[in-house]
Amino acid sequence: DQQVKQNSPSLSVQEGRISILNCDYTNSMFDYFLWYKKYPAEGPTFLISISSIKDKNEDGRFTVFLNKSAKHLSLHIVPSQPGDSAVYFCAATSWGYSTLTFGKGTMLLVSP
Amino acid sequence: DTEVTQTPKHLVMGMTNKKSLKCEQHMGHRAMYWYKQKAKKPPELMFVYSYEKLSINESVPSRFSPECPNSSLLNLHLHALQPEDSALYLCASSLGASDQETQYFGPGTRLLVL
Repeated sequence: DQQVKQNSPSLSVQEGRISILNCDYTNSMFDYFLWYKKYPAEGPTFLISISSIKDKNEDGRFTVFLNKSAKHLSLHIVPSQPGDSAVYFCAATSWGYSTLTFGKGTMLLVSP
Repeated sequence: DTEVTQTPKHLVMGMTNKKSLKCEQHMGHRAMYWYKQKAKKPPELMFVYSYEKLSINESVPSRFSPECPNSSLLNLHLHALQPEDSALYLCASSLGASDQETQYFGPGTRLLVL
């Protein structure tokens, strides 16, 4: 049973526009959420995180929104750049544990 | 500095070989992790070390043997692997192994078992 779901396998966006990547979760014990970016044959790079006590966290071009009642989070990238083209993984941890539960990833393609 | 280093970058081994993967971090992190990632799949947790002690083994076959010689180093010893073990092996670390910790990943070792 998938506890973290990224229902869009891929997303195409034009350079300069907003990219919105979505993630849903089912486990109400999750209290910390992270987004990682991954290029092929490289390790995931940490982008941004959000604690369940917040509903928004911003870092430069990246903003993560958390809607606890809907068990939904999203990553906004504004403006999108061709270098943002990668696979984006949503991940979550439960209270008291640091082990990550990953979604299956969304491949973002930003075209010039 | 959030750097986790892994060696080697690539490894090809036969099914009878013994090899080791190495991971190092100098961030003072006390939790370290091994993951396995197949193409187009998310990383799968294999082992967690917390304060140099193995705290989680996700039912990994004994042909994979982790070792944490000190708080900065994590090894994964490989013996008698199967071709289906070919994957990207990722090491990660976090400050602790409890709540709301961010894991930082290394670049991975791409392993091919022939």
